[in-house]
Amino acid sequence: GIQVEQSPPDLILQEGANSTLRCNFSDSVNNLQWFHQNPWGQLINLFYIPSGTKQNGRLSATTVATERYSLLYISSSQTTDSGVYFCAVPPSQLRLAFGKGNQVVVIP
Amino acid sequence: DTGVSQDPRHKITKRGQNVTFRCDPISEHNRLYWYRQTLGQGPEFLTYFQNEAQLEKSRLLSDRFSAERPKGSFSTLEIQRTEQGDSAMYLCASTGAAEETQYFGPGTRLLVL
Repeated sequence: GIQVEQSPPDLILQEGANSTLRCNFSDSVNNLQWFHQNPWGQLINLFYIPSGTKQNGRLSATTVATERYSLLYISSSQTTDSGVYFCAVPPSQLRLAFGKGNQVVVIP
Repeated sequence: DTGVSQDPRHKITKRGQNVTFRCDPISEHNRLYWYRQTLGQGPEFLTYFQNEAQLEKSRLLSDRFSAERPKGSFSTLEIQRTEQGDSAMYLCASTGAAEETQYFGPGTRLLVL
């Protein structure tokens, strides 16, 4: 099946710093989603981004489908950005395959 | 629209007991998914419904697991004869017919003692 690899697995940031999270996937896909899982376990949709670049506040994402990777940028990080960030792609139309996530801790 | 809801949020049970979880998708979403997430891992797909039809099941879904969506609205996931390895977060997601984005509920955290 499709492999989804995220890096770095763990990241500690000083509040105000910028960071880039990467998602590589092993096969062509027609969509990609980024999620943030908060400490209570809720998965929150960040971006649906099959290709191109999108921005939402301090977050932006870029997917280069032809090269099978996506990047999530966090600018001016805040403590509320802490949590696990997941990239997910659909190996079929019926489900999502997730990476293992990027654990982000933002310290004040 | 209140989003995807799941009940209960937490469940502690003894090994060998049966448990049942409920998921209420976003209204008018015809597609519903169940995932399981263990510590330190991303969610893993379990099963998928389109309306009331169960169209795909993962090999993770052993014979002890059964899922239903009898009227094409809410869904239940039952685990029979629970084992300690069933301890995990069980997540439900839904999506509408004309979109691809999956929206997740808050999950049911199961602990089997």
